[in-house]
Amino acid sequence: ETGVTQTPRHLVMGMTNKKSLKCEQHLGHNAMYWYKQSAKKPLELMFVYNFKEQTENNSVPSRFSPECPNSSHLFLHLHTLQPEDSALYLCASSQETFSGTKETQYFGPGTRLLVL
Amino acid sequence: EDQVTQSPEALRLQEGESSSLNCSYTVSGLRGLFWYRQDPGKGPEFLFTLYSAGEEKEKERLKATLTKKESFLHITAPKPEDSATYLCAVREGNPDNNAGNMLTFGGGTRLMVKP
Repeated sequence: ETGVTQTPRHLVMGMTNKKSLKCEQHLGHNAMYWYKQSAKKPLELMFVYNFKEQTENNSVPSRFSPECPNSSHLFLHLHTLQPEDSALYLCASSQETFSGTKETQYFGPGTRLLVL
Repeated sequence: EDQVTQSPEALRLQEGESSSLNCSYTVSGLRGLFWYRQDPGKGPEFLFTLYSAGEEKEKERLKATLTKKESFLHITAPKPEDSATYLCAVREGNPDNNAGNMLTFGGGTRLMVKP
């Protein structure tokens, strides 16, 4: 596997279900991100993890819960979602340095989520 | 608040018909402007990063340029395989703030190139 991978690629869930999205990066990066892409709207940053620490939570509802067990893996746990949460969820990674240099973010293929 | 506006929203070209996409931005201090290409059902694919006004970068039929207020993505003699949505994103300029690794995206330009 190369680059950034995401599973599953497609997910249909009811509003009472609990599911998790998985992201894995094979680039040796130390920062990972979750984005939401809805139809007709720009990409929205949800969460940022630098060196496994969450550094950004962009006013995301608590029904979305991120987890970053190590620098290569990122999860997004979903529970009691609403139909308006249906979107493409994208994971990205980058190499951040201790001096604060911010590098290019590389994206995975996304998980297409449909909430019924 | 940082803003990124892309125009046009959609662009139809004939194969070989050159054109430009625009990305206008307002940020407190630019620390990078990024262009990505996104095909339907896929994640954005990185194209270019520009850091300072006057900078230019090229890749095959694409050329990105940057001024203090906007960036252009010039497409020369496009082919049908260039059809995609092109996304522009900016990174704000605050190296002391972890928010400096946040990207603000524009709404994208959907390019369709007909043979």
